[in-house]
Amino acid sequence: QQQVKQSPQSLIVQKGGISIINCAYENTAFDYFPWYQQFPGKGPALLIAIRPDVSEKKEGRFTISFNKSAKQFSLHIMDSQPGDSATYFCAASEAYKYIFGTGTRLKVLA
Amino acid sequence: EAGVAQSPRYKIIEKRQSVAFWCNPISGHATLYWYQQILGQGPKLLIQFQNNGVVDDSQLPKDRFSAERLKGVDSTLKIQPAKLEDSAVYLCASSRQGFYEQYFGPGTRLTVT
Repeated sequence: QQQVKQSPQSLIVQKGGISIINCAYENTAFDYFPWYQQFPGKGPALLIAIRPDVSEKKEGRFTISFNKSAKQFSLHIMDSQPGDSATYFCAASEAYKYIFGTGTRLKVLA
Repeated sequence: EAGVAQSPRYKIIEKRQSVAFWCNPISGHATLYWYQQILGQGPKLLIQFQNNGVVDDSQLPKDRFSAERLKGVDSTLKIQPAKLEDSAVYLCASSRQGFYEQYFGPGTRLTVT
């Protein structure tokens, strides 16, 4: 019940395309859902986050879609760029403690 | 604003040896977290501090891992004795009290041989 399932494990997208990463959870007590971006040798960096009372949040090229009834949320990266090539983690928080997904390695081809 | 600082960045030790990692959180952040990130996996919470008190250490292997945050600022995570399966990146994160956003340091990559 504490797991956050993330898919796909890896993703290859052409420059300018849309990258979509999905996460699913079971614990309805989760109340905050962030996405992190991690480059090799670096710590995860907060990208965008959403609360469960909102169905969508957009910041620049990054959008989170949240489906509370399905207990799913996804990250959409519009106009994907080679610089977006990184590993992306979704997470879910209960009492300020994060449970992370297993990560998606994104490669954007130039 | 300076980010979360961690040292050392890399450490190689033999099994059964001890090792310690240091973390300095963002100034003013009362909450500090230690995570373990095994290669190819997401970070896993080991321990959460609020000021100098432990909030949650349920996933800390207490037979070999210990952590402290004596003055409510810097924190140290220790492993004694290390096992091969402890090879991982150890991440420190901090947040403001009552805020969800966690900010991560660059991590310490530990290799146990």
